[in-house]
Amino acid sequence: EIVLTQSPGTLSLSPGERASLSCRASQSVASTYLAWYQRKPGQAPRLLIYSASSRAPGIPDRFGGSGSGTDFTLTISRLEPEDFAVYYCQQFETFGQGTKVEIK
Amino acid sequence: EVQLLQSGGGLVQPGGSLRLSCAASGFTFNIYAMGWIRQAPGKGLEWVSVLSDSGADTYYTDSVKGRFTISRDNSRNTLSLQMNSLRVEDTAVYYCVRRELPARHFDYWGQGILVTVSS
Repeated sequence: EIVLTQSPGTLSLSPGERASLSCRASQSVASTYLAWYQRKPGQAPRLLIYSASSRAPGIPDRFGGSGSGTDFTLTISRLEPEDFAVYYCQQFETFGQGTKVEIK
Repeated sequence: EVQLLQSGGGLVQPGGSLRLSCAASGFTFNIYAMGWIRQAPGKGLEWVSVLSDSGADTYYTDSVKGRFTISRDNSRNTLSLQMNSLRVEDTAVYYCVRRELPARHFDYWGQGILVTVSS
Protein backbone atom coordinates (compact mmCIF):
# COMPACT_ATOMS: atom_id res chain seq x y z
CA GLU A 1 0.00 0.00 0.00
CA ILE A 2 1.29 3.42 -0.96
CA VAL A 3 1.82 5.95 1.83
CA LEU A 4 1.52 9.65 1.05
CA THR A 5 3.50 11.99 3.29
CA GLN A 6 2.71 15.67 3.20
CA SER A 7 5.01 18.43 4.35
CA PRO A 8 5.16 20.69 6.11
CA GLY A 9 2.48 19.90 8.64
CA THR A 10 1.71 23.58 9.03
CA LEU A 11 2.64 26.50 6.80
CA SER A 12 2.40 30.00 8.29
CA LEU A 13 2.18 32.67 5.60
CA SER A 14 0.70 36.08 4.95
CA PRO A 15 -1.90 36.96 2.30
CA GLY A 16 -0.19 37.64 -1.01
CA GLU A 17 2.65 35.21 -0.35
CA ARG A 18 3.38 32.05 -2.32
CA ALA A 19 2.64 28.65 -0.78
CA SER A 20 4.33 25.40 -1.78
CA LEU A 21 2.95 22.17 -0.36
CA SER A 22 4.66 18.84 -0.81
CA CYS A 23 3.23 15.34 -1.18
CA ARG A 24 5.72 12.48 -1.28
CA ALA A 25 4.69 8.92 -2.16
CA SER A 26 6.38 5.84 -0.73
CA GLN A 27 6.65 4.43 -4.26
CA SER A 28 6.27 5.82 -7.73
CA VAL A 29 2.76 6.99 -8.62
CA ALA A 30 1.37 7.63 -12.09
CA SER A 31 0.56 11.33 -12.32
CA THR A 32 -2.91 10.44 -13.59
CA TYR A 33 -3.87 9.32 -10.11
CA LEU A 34 -2.68 12.21 -7.94
CA ALA A 35 -5.24 14.73 -6.71
CA TRP A 36 -5.34 17.65 -4.26
CA TYR A 37 -8.26 18.80 -2.09
CA GLN A 38 -8.97 21.85 0.06
CA ARG A 39 -10.81 21.48 3.35
CA LYS A 40 -12.21 24.47 5.23
CA PRO A 41 -13.81 24.19 8.68
CA GLY A 42 -17.48 23.30 8.48
CA GLN A 43 -17.32 22.62 4.75
CA ALA A 44 -16.94 19.51 2.65
CA PRO A 45 -13.57 19.01 0.98
CA ARG A 46 -13.28 20.45 -2.52
CA LEU A 47 -11.34 18.99 -5.42
CA LEU A 48 -8.65 21.43 -6.57
CA ILE A 49 -6.29 19.51 -8.80
CA TYR A 50 -6.52 16.11 -10.50
CA SER A 51 -4.05 14.13 -12.57
CA ALA A 52 -1.31 16.03 -10.74
CA SER A 53 -1.68 19.27 -12.70
CA SER A 54 -5.22 19.73 -14.05
CA ARG A 55 -7.39 22.26 -12.27
CA ALA A 56 -10.92 21.21 -11.43
CA PRO A 57 -13.74 23.33 -12.88
CA GLY A 58 -14.09 26.69 -11.16
CA ILE A 59 -10.71 26.57 -9.42
CA PRO A 60 -8.77 29.84 -9.72
CA ASP A 61 -5.55 29.76 -11.72
CA ARG A 62 -3.50 30.77 -8.67
CA PHE A 63 -3.71 27.06 -7.74
CA GLY A 64 -1.26 24.88 -9.61
CA GLY A 65 -0.08 21.30 -9.36
CA SER A 66 3.13 19.72 -10.54
CA GLY A 67 5.36 16.72 -10.05
CA SER A 68 5.86 13.14 -11.07
CA GLY A 69 7.07 9.82 -9.73
CA THR A 70 7.17 10.17 -5.97
CA ASP A 71 7.23 13.96 -5.54
CA PHE A 72 4.27 16.23 -6.14
CA THR A 73 3.67 19.88 -5.28
CA LEU A 74 0.63 22.09 -4.87
CA THR A 75 1.45 25.74 -5.37
CA ILE A 76 -0.73 28.71 -4.50
CA SER A 77 0.87 31.64 -6.30
CA ARG A 78 -0.60 34.45 -4.15
CA LEU A 79 -2.55 33.55 -1.07
CA GLU A 80 -6.00 35.03 -0.78
CA PRO A 81 -7.77 35.20 2.63
CA GLU A 82 -10.08 32.37 1.60
CA ASP A 83 -7.14 30.04 0.85
CA PHE A 84 -6.22 29.49 4.49
CA ALA A 85 -7.34 25.91 4.99
CA VAL A 86 -6.10 22.32 5.16
CA TYR A 87 -4.92 20.67 1.98
CA TYR A 88 -4.80 16.94 1.26
CA CYS A 89 -3.23 14.92 -1.51
CA GLN A 90 -4.81 11.65 -2.63
CA GLN A 91 -3.93 8.67 -4.75
CA PHE A 92 -6.39 5.80 -5.20
CA GLU A 93 -7.75 5.06 -1.72
CA THR A 94 -4.96 6.80 0.18
CA PHE A 95 -4.90 10.34 1.51
CA GLY A 96 -1.97 12.25 2.90
CA GLN A 97 -2.25 13.49 6.46
CA GLY A 98 -2.79 17.10 5.37
CA THR A 99 -0.98 20.44 5.42
CA LYS A 100 -2.57 23.34 7.26
CA VAL A 101 -2.00 26.74 5.70
CA GLU A 102 -2.50 29.33 8.41
CA ILE A 103 -2.29 33.09 8.58
CA LYS A 104 1.02 34.33 9.89
CA GLU B 1 -25.69 21.30 -11.01
CA VAL B 2 -24.33 18.19 -9.32
CA GLN B 3 -25.77 17.71 -5.84
CA LEU B 4 -25.25 14.98 -3.26
CA LEU B 5 -27.68 15.35 -0.37
CA GLN B 6 -26.95 13.19 2.63
CA SER B 7 -29.20 11.99 5.45
CA GLY B 8 -29.29 9.47 8.25
CA GLY B 9 -26.54 10.35 10.70
CA GLY B 10 -26.86 10.65 14.45
CA LEU B 11 -25.93 9.20 17.81
CA VAL B 12 -25.79 5.45 18.30
CA GLN B 13 -24.45 3.19 21.02
CA PRO B 14 -21.49 0.89 20.44
CA GLY B 15 -22.67 -2.27 18.71
CA GLY B 16 -25.61 -0.45 17.17
CA SER B 17 -26.55 0.17 13.55
CA LEU B 18 -27.13 3.18 11.36
CA ARG B 19 -27.92 3.70 7.70
CA LEU B 20 -26.64 6.64 5.71
CA SER B 21 -28.28 7.74 2.48
CA CYS B 22 -27.17 10.02 -0.31
CA ALA B 23 -29.58 11.41 -2.91
CA ALA B 24 -27.82 12.36 -6.14
CA SER B 25 -29.01 14.81 -8.77
CA GLY B 26 -27.68 16.86 -11.65
CA PHE B 27 -25.80 14.06 -13.40
CA THR B 28 -26.29 10.60 -14.90
CA PHE B 29 -25.98 8.61 -11.70
CA ASN B 30 -25.72 5.14 -13.20
CA ILE B 31 -22.46 5.80 -15.07
CA TYR B 32 -20.43 6.88 -12.03
CA ALA B 33 -18.72 4.98 -9.27
CA MET B 34 -19.71 6.35 -5.88
CA GLY B 35 -18.32 6.06 -2.41
CA TRP B 36 -18.01 7.16 1.19
CA ILE B 37 -15.14 8.98 2.88
CA ARG B 38 -14.98 9.92 6.54
CA GLN B 39 -13.10 12.28 8.81
CA ALA B 40 -12.86 11.53 12.50
CA PRO B 41 -12.53 14.44 14.94
CA GLY B 42 -9.03 15.91 14.70
CA LYS B 43 -8.00 13.38 12.06
CA GLY B 44 -7.46 13.36 8.33
CA LEU B 45 -9.57 12.02 5.50
CA GLU B 46 -10.12 8.27 5.33
CA TRP B 47 -11.58 6.35 2.42
CA VAL B 48 -14.32 3.96 3.64
CA SER B 49 -15.95 2.27 0.67
CA VAL B 50 -16.49 2.50 -3.07
CA LEU B 51 -19.11 0.98 -5.36
CA SER B 52 -18.95 0.57 -9.12
CA ASP B 53 -21.47 2.20 -11.42
CA SER B 54 -23.52 -0.97 -11.78
CA GLY B 55 -23.23 -1.89 -8.13
CA ALA B 56 -21.57 -5.18 -8.98
CA ASP B 57 -18.19 -4.34 -7.46
CA THR B 58 -17.69 -3.15 -3.91
CA TYR B 59 -14.56 -2.21 -1.99
CA TYR B 60 -14.04 -1.51 1.71
CA THR B 61 -11.25 -0.33 3.93
CA ASP B 62 -10.10 -3.15 6.20
CA SER B 63 -11.48 -1.65 9.40
CA VAL B 64 -15.09 -1.77 8.18
CA LYS B 65 -15.11 -5.05 6.23
CA GLY B 66 -17.88 -7.34 7.43
CA ARG B 67 -19.61 -4.51 9.28
CA PHE B 68 -20.47 -1.94 6.61
CA THR B 69 -22.37 -2.55 3.37
CA ILE B 70 -22.46 -0.08 0.50
CA SER B 71 -25.29 -0.22 -2.02
CA ARG B 72 -27.01 1.85 -4.66
CA ASP B 73 -30.40 2.14 -6.33
CA ASN B 74 -29.82 3.44 -9.84
CA SER B 75 -33.57 3.77 -10.42
CA ARG B 76 -33.79 6.27 -7.55
CA ASN B 77 -30.31 7.83 -7.84
CA THR B 78 -29.45 6.96 -4.28
CA LEU B 79 -26.38 5.61 -2.51
CA SER B 80 -26.51 3.98 0.91
CA LEU B 81 -24.14 2.83 3.61
CA GLN B 82 -25.48 0.33 6.11
CA MET B 83 -23.28 0.42 9.21
CA ASN B 84 -23.57 -2.43 11.70
CA SER B 85 -21.61 -3.34 14.84
CA LEU B 86 -20.56 0.27 15.18
CA ARG B 87 -17.50 1.10 17.26
CA VAL B 88 -16.45 4.26 19.04
CA GLU B 89 -13.69 4.66 16.45
CA ASP B 90 -16.31 4.90 13.69
CA THR B 91 -17.27 8.32 15.03
CA ALA B 92 -16.71 10.76 12.17
CA VAL B 93 -18.25 13.02 9.60
CA TYR B 94 -19.16 10.85 6.64
CA TYR B 95 -19.12 12.21 3.11
CA CYS B 96 -20.88 10.79 0.07
CA VAL B 97 -18.61 11.21 -2.95
CA ARG B 98 -18.67 10.77 -6.69
CA ARG B 99 -15.64 9.07 -8.13
CA GLU B 100 -14.21 10.07 -11.49
CA LEU B 101 -12.66 7.31 -13.53
CA PRO B 102 -10.10 6.36 -14.68
CA ALA B 103 -8.19 8.91 -12.58
CA ARG B 104 -10.03 7.80 -9.42
CA HIS B 105 -10.29 11.16 -7.74
CA PHE B 106 -13.43 12.32 -5.93
CA ASP B 107 -14.86 15.24 -7.83
CA TYR B 108 -18.07 15.96 -5.93
CA TRP B 109 -18.78 15.67 -2.21
CA GLY B 110 -21.95 15.68 -0.16
CA GLN B 111 -22.37 18.12 2.70
CA GLY B 112 -21.21 15.58 5.26
CA ILE B 113 -23.13 14.01 8.10
CA LEU B 114 -22.00 13.30 11.65
CA VAL B 115 -22.08 9.80 13.06
CA THR B 116 -21.37 9.60 16.78
CA VAL B 117 -20.86 6.23 18.42
CA SER B 118 -20.98 6.61 22.17
CA SER B 119 -22.56 5.09 25.23
